[in-house]
Amino acid sequence: AQSVTQLGSHVSVSEGALVLLRCNYSSSVPPYLFWYVQYPNQGLQLLLKYTSAATLVKGINGFEAEFKKSETSFHLTKPSAHMSDAAEYFCALGHTGGFKTIFGAGTRLFVKA
Amino acid sequence: DSGVTQTPKHLITATGQRVTLRCSPRSGDLSVYWYQQSLDQGLQFLIQYYNGEERAKGNILERFSAQQFPDLHSELNLSSLELGDSALYFCASTTTGTANTGELFFGEGSRLTVL
Repeated sequence: AQSVTQLGSHVSVSEGALVLLRCNYSSSVPPYLFWYVQYPNQGLQLLLKYTSAATLVKGINGFEAEFKKSETSFHLTKPSAHMSDAAEYFCALGHTGGFKTIFGAGTRLFVKA
Repeated sequence: DSGVTQTPKHLITATGQRVTLRCSPRSGDLSVYWYQQSLDQGLQFLIQYYNGEERAKGNILERFSAQQFPDLHSELNLSSLELGDSALYFCASTTTGTANTGELFFGEGSRLTVL
């Protein structure tokens, strides 16, 4: 069965600190992996995606994620947090030929001044 | 702006009632997805339509139904509403028949409150 696990429902960092949001997946077939961000009162928007090309994927707003097959992980990082990064982040999983994108439970990021 | 339009943005109704949520996908997108987001269940996939036909079903209750019309807009019908149906309902669209070859474009959601 396919699944996505996001470790930590809440993460708090100081402005300028490293952001690390963790995502592990389970898939019996090669996965497609996504990170989405949801700002308050808005829909989800794509930050970045892995679709079996480069394992280090760069996205918008300075975020990047690395696909590690051996660890079944797709953690999201940003070197320096900004107040505007405060939002909820969702890791999502799909696969070739599948129709259903599976979302993790989400991680809410708080950024302290 | 994702290009996906959902109406209404907010809806308050009573238990036992029926409501219809509407979604207009991005221009050119053939697939429409419905998701339910609640505090206790997270983001749950409900149903997908592709070019007017149902393509995939998720955790959609029998009291809920959806359809996609020839002009590709979609409606999600929720009936015999219960308090637990209170949630944010998202519509998303994409060009291809599967969500997994590319990006999902989400609307801003319809917030349903059942009293």
